[in-house]
Amino acid sequence: EPEVTQTPSHQVTQMGQEVILRCVPISNHLYFYWYRQILGQKVEFLVSFYNNEISEKSEIFDDQFSVERPDGSNFTLKIRSTKLEDSAMYFCASSEGQGLTEAFFGQGTRLTVV
Amino acid sequence: DQQVKQNSPSLSVQEGRISILNCDYTNSMFDYFLWYKKYPAEGPTFLISISSIKDKNEDGRFTVFLNKSAKHLSLHIVPSQPGDSAVYFCAARFGYGQNFVFGPGTRLSVLP
Repeated sequence: EPEVTQTPSHQVTQMGQEVILRCVPISNHLYFYWYRQILGQKVEFLVSFYNNEISEKSEIFDDQFSVERPDGSNFTLKIRSTKLEDSAMYFCASSEGQGLTEAFFGQGTRLTVV
Repeated sequence: DQQVKQNSPSLSVQEGRISILNCDYTNSMFDYFLWYKKYPAEGPTFLISISSIKDKNEDGRFTVFLNKSAKHLSLHIVPSQPGDSAVYFCAARFGYGQNFVFGPGTRLSVLP
């Protein structure tokens, strides 16, 4: 069964450092997303991406964040200068279509900023 | 910001019985709702959805009920199985896209 894969499963980084979280979406999917879940809190939408551009983003997704689809398979989330409060589980998701199509999630990358 | 609430952080049910997970929302603009299931160390898995034009949607053992006037939805699992033990998230949005607002989740334990 096709699945969304994320690497690494756990990333530890020093405050102020740049970090890149990687995702390989399901191959025929066209819409890509990042969500995060701070420990003990709700899952929060960050950004959606379609046709090589951001189609939607939340207030959380400020200038510190960027997304990219550098080749035909990867979808990355970059945090330029990490803060302690960026520590969270980051989930990548993809979907075949927009609208009423449900997204499939990866297993997540746990980011720990120290 | 408590637009989507799941007031029961946990629920225990005997195997074979019905599990009922509840979700309340405050934003009357929400018109599409999802339930996701999450196991430890895995991403959320889509379970079932419902649009605001319906009041019920059924898929196998899973049924979602929507009461728009009460701004309430519920997920029924019948019969419950030990493999259903997970955290269940209710999520809602209006319009299109994936900017869902998630509830805090309810941890379901199905006891053999």
